[in-house]
Amino acid sequence: GAVVSQHPSRVICKSGTSVKIECRSLDFQATTMFWYRQFPKKSLMLMATSNEGSKATYEQGVEKDKFLINHASLTLSTLTVTSAHPEDSSFYICSARGETDTQYFGPGTRLTVL
Amino acid sequence: GDSVTQMEGPVTLSEEAFLTINCTYTATGYPSLFWYVQYPGEGLQLLLKATKADDKGSNKGFEATYRKETTSFHLEKGSVQVSDSAVYFCALDFGNEKLTFGTGTRLTIIP
Repeated sequence: GAVVSQHPSRVICKSGTSVKIECRSLDFQATTMFWYRQFPKKSLMLMATSNEGSKATYEQGVEKDKFLINHASLTLSTLTVTSAHPEDSSFYICSARGETDTQYFGPGTRLTVL
Repeated sequence: GDSVTQMEGPVTLSEEAFLTINCTYTATGYPSLFWYVQYPGEGLQLLLKATKADDKGSNKGFEATYRKETTSFHLEKGSVQVSDSAVYFCALDFGNEKLTFGTGTRLTIIP
């Protein structure tokens, strides 16, 4: 089956630093990758959509300069949280979509900003 | 705008009980409908889906039927197990690559 990995699974950082999260499709080519943010006891909020080799499309209210997304290849997308603050603490989830309309989700990354 | 409404949890059932988690949607067209499951400490996994009216998605004993007349996609299972304890998300997609999720329903099965 289609497998998507994320790294790291957990990260703790100091306020003001930047954190990079990787999302990889392990056994298929992902033409599109998505980044979500999940708040406690809430649903997933789509942050941005990225297509390989082009700029990401951000959802309304998501700061593109704060959440940098790069989709450098058909198997890798990265999300960089720049100048992180405690309010950025959250569970970040990526998903990848290949030739079908099904999104396959990564296990998520728990970010804690101190 | 498009939206998904799920029954609020948490839901607690005894093993072998019958499960229903309600999901209704609001959309201007005919989306594909999905149920995703999130087990503790893991990411979301696609449980089942249906792409058109009257389709029934099924997997691992779970079923859901796409009801256009009631704009619903209720999840059912005849006999739940402890291993079914998880958070369940209903979602829709118009093929525009954007999934809209419900708020999730936490299910706990007691032995």
